Amino acid sequence: KQEVTQIPAALSVPEGENLVLNCSFTDSAIYNLQWFRQDPGKGLTSLLLIQSSQREQTSGRLNASLDKSSGRSTLYIAASQPGDSATYLCAVSPYGAAGNKLTFGGGTRVLVKP
Amino acid sequence: EPEVTQTPSHQVTQMGQEVILRCVPISNHLYFYWYRQILGQKVEFLVSFYNNEISEKSEIFDDQFSVERPDGSNFTLKIRSTKLEDSAMYFCASSVWDRDNSPLHFGNGTRLTVT
Repeated sequence: KQEVTQIPAALSVPEGENLVLNCSFTDSAIYNLQWFRQDPGKGLTSLLLIQSSQREQTSGRLNASLDKSSGRSTLYIAASQPGDSATYLCAVSPYGAAGNKLTFGGGTRVLVKP
Repeated sequence: EPEVTQTPSHQVTQMGQEVILRCVPISNHLYFYWYRQILGQKVEFLVSFYNNEISEKSEIFDDQFSVERPDGSNFTLKIRSTKLEDSAMYFCASSVWDRDNSPLHFGNGTRLTVT
């Protein structure tokens, strides 16, 4: 059974510092890995999707890498801003199941201090 | 930008009552999903729906749950006889395809409180 783990559970950094968020998964047979942002009381916003054949994806200040063989993904957020404060979730789509039947990690709660 | 909308934002019900949670997916999306998040726990997959039928469901999605697309725009989740442990945030989501390059778009959720 696929397990997704995110460490650390919480992170506090001063504004301007780069953020590094980690995600690990136990079964490398995946279609894709997705990173989401969740603000308090809100839904999940899709940030990046990395297909299993890709090594990384970039969008603005965000960069996500995927090492499928070791079961790891890292989300980098450059030059963090207070508006980046949120919970970041990673999720994997298992091979052989419905493409968006996602298994989620527990999230990393990020606080960027001005 | 098009978005998934969910109503109500908060629903309080008594144990044993039926509830219907409503969602309007993004109009050109073909695949629809329900996920839930119990307070302090991970987001969990409940069910996926395509072409007017369930394509996959989790162990959580037992006979107390059902989904329906009653018209061309709404997608509903019904819980027949609610239990205390059904209290959670329920998220509707949709995607264009059910493929490896089609991201999920989530609504803001319905917070269900069963008393």
